Amino acid sequence: AQSVAQPEDQVNVAEGNPLTVKCTYSVSGNPYLFWYVQYPNRGLQFLLKYITGDNLVKGSYGFEAEFNKSQTSFHLKKPSALVSDSALYFCAVIFTDKLIFGTGTRLQVFP
Amino acid sequence: GAVVSQHPSRVICKSGTSVKIECRSLDFQATTMFWYRQFPKKSLMLMATSNEGSKATYEQGVEKDKFLINHASLTLSTLTVTSAHPEDSSFYICSARVLGTGFMNTEAFFGQGTRLTVV
Repeated sequence: AQSVAQPEDQVNVAEGNPLTVKCTYSVSGNPYLFWYVQYPNRGLQFLLKYITGDNLVKGSYGFEAEFNKSQTSFHLKKPSALVSDSALYFCAVIFTDKLIFGTGTRLQVFP
Repeated sequence: GAVVSQHPSRVICKSGTSVKIECRSLDFQATTMFWYRQFPKKSLMLMATSNEGSKATYEQGVEKDKFLINHASLTLSTLTVTSAHPEDSSFYICSARVLGTGFMNTEAFFGQGTRLTVV
């Protein structure tokens, strides 16, 4: 079965510093990968996706993610973190036409 | 962008009663909607896939008689938690995909979620 893993339960970063939220995948065939963000008591908002093409995918709010086939990773990155980026981040993969999510990583950006 | 509205945002009910949660796609049609449950430790579990005009497809381990899903139109799916118990307390989220598309060319759009508390 296709799956994604988010090894970090929480990531802490100071405002202005670069941030990385990790995601690794386990799929057969070509992976279709997504990142979503969730703010408190809210649904999920789409950030970006990788289907095919360039390994560096740019998304909303200045986020980007790098698809690395050899490392089976799809890490989410941002060059300069904002306090407002503090939220819960989910990596997801498509499996049998359904979105399957990782366990989520809580990002805390400190002023 | 496409908007998915979920109602109510919060509900408190007594044990043994039933609660209905609505998920509407406001500005697009959706043949397929998905229902997720989010647990306190934050993981999102896919409960079922709701298809307009047909029976929902439930994930393994999800009780279809307890979590009734109806997708009567291209813009509305409902989740009814029947005979609710305190362990059903959770955050329920729906998502919808635009009619005629797949995940290859569009993302899923999510409702704002419903916080269910069973007392």
